[in-house]
Amino acid sequence: EAGVTQSPRYAVLQEGQAVSFWCDPISGHDTLYWYQQPRDQGPQLLVYFRDEAVIDNSQLPSDRFSAVRPKGTNSTLKIQSAKQGDTATYLCASSFWTNTEVFFGKGTRLTVV
Amino acid sequence: GEQVEQLPSSLIVQEGASVLINCSYTDSASVYFPWYKQEPGKRLQFIIDIRSNMERKQTQRLTLLFDKKTKHLSLHITATQPGDSAIYFCSASDSYAQGLTFGLGTRVSVFP
Repeated sequence: EAGVTQSPRYAVLQEGQAVSFWCDPISGHDTLYWYQQPRDQGPQLLVYFRDEAVIDNSQLPSDRFSAVRPKGTNSTLKIQSAKQGDTATYLCASSFWTNTEVFFGKGTRLTVV
Repeated sequence: GEQVEQLPSSLIVQEGASVLINCSYTDSASVYFPWYKQEPGKRLQFIIDIRSNMERKQTQRLTLLFDKKTKHLSLHITATQPGDSAIYFCSASDSYAQGLTFGLGTRVSVFP
């Protein structure tokens, strides 16, 4: 099914390890979002891009998290030194800047032990 | 920043019954309110939305009401089916293509 593609689907880390999540948005979508969804909570925005530019990263824990979208298409979210509190599902989403409907990927479920 | 609250947190109904989910928000700058459905193992799915210049929107079995004065929304699902079992999220945004602020969700369980 065409849509937002994320990989890996699952990741298990020990505290202190690094991990990267990859997202391929819907073709043509210029806006890309990363959300963190802890268990039994709603998604929380981490960062979003228009093309390759970061529009808002104010909710991204900048000391350990980073996100890039170098060519304005695919994006990578990296956690430098994972903590147990980072355990959550990480969702990527995309849309057109001029359109309201946002499409979500299936997410990457991260467990930090 | 914006805060979105949903009630109830969960509900159980028999197939064919109606469901009402309430949502409130705090930021008067919010103008766009999409709702999403999340089934186990599946991606968040857009189901309905409303803008702040509207009071009501209806699609098939869903009716979404919006009260700008009280900053309150309500989603009504009629003639529920087991396939409606999911977590429903209310969200808010102050513009197009801006990040969404989500509520904690309402878990709906529909039994045959």
